[in-house]
Amino acid sequence: EIVMTQSPATLSVSPGERATLSCRASQSVSSNLAWYQQKPGQAPRLLIYGASTRATGIPARFSGSGSGTEFTLTISSLQSEDFAVYYCQQYNNWPVTFGGGTKVEIK
Amino acid sequence: QVQLVQSGAEVKKPGASVKVSCKASGYTFTSYDINWVRQATGQGLEWMGWMNPNSGNTGYAQKFQGRVTMTRNTSISTAYMELSSLRSEDTAVYYCARGTYYGDWGYWGQGTLVTVSS
Repeated sequence: EIVMTQSPATLSVSPGERATLSCRASQSVSSNLAWYQQKPGQAPRLLIYGASTRATGIPARFSGSGSGTEFTLTISSLQSEDFAVYYCQQYNNWPVTFGGGTKVEIK
Repeated sequence: QVQLVQSGAEVKKPGASVKVSCKASGYTFTSYDINWVRQATGQGLEWMGWMNPNSGNTGYAQKFQGRVTMTRNTSISTAYMELSSLRSEDTAVYYCARGTYYGDWGYWGQGTLVTVSS
């Protein structure tokens, strides 16, 4: 099973600042990596798939990069609605696995 | 518009089974995979398995092998996930998600809380 490790566990950022979230895979997942945002009481929302393709309706301030084992989600200028938990997911190998999440909180 | 609407919350006793439904609308049900993911309170996301609604083919995470069954009724565009031999650790919100092989899981159900308690 591929283990996905996200860092940091918590990220404190001021509105308008840039946020950089990391995700590392225990072995290569090629570009088969997605990012999700989840707010309390809600289902996960797909942000990025294929490591860098924004999902339908996702603002351009969200961008993804990386391949192989190292991936990054960047939020260029945090808005109030962006404070949430973010998960990475690999779907290159079964079982599909998720990272433990990064909580982005208001500084 | 695409929607996945899940069945309501369930309370079950240890050892019982639960069957959660996921009704799809706004697209051709047999054209996209359905994945099931669960989340215990305050915890992360855990993939349980996958079903191809067209063929009925399934694939389960090893952790759930022997306890989970994913089925569908194409006439009503509904997928089902049944989990048996429930224990307290199965208490979680269960989600269905429409998936593609290239990772576009852009549509999720609202979640179904399953509580296992004696």
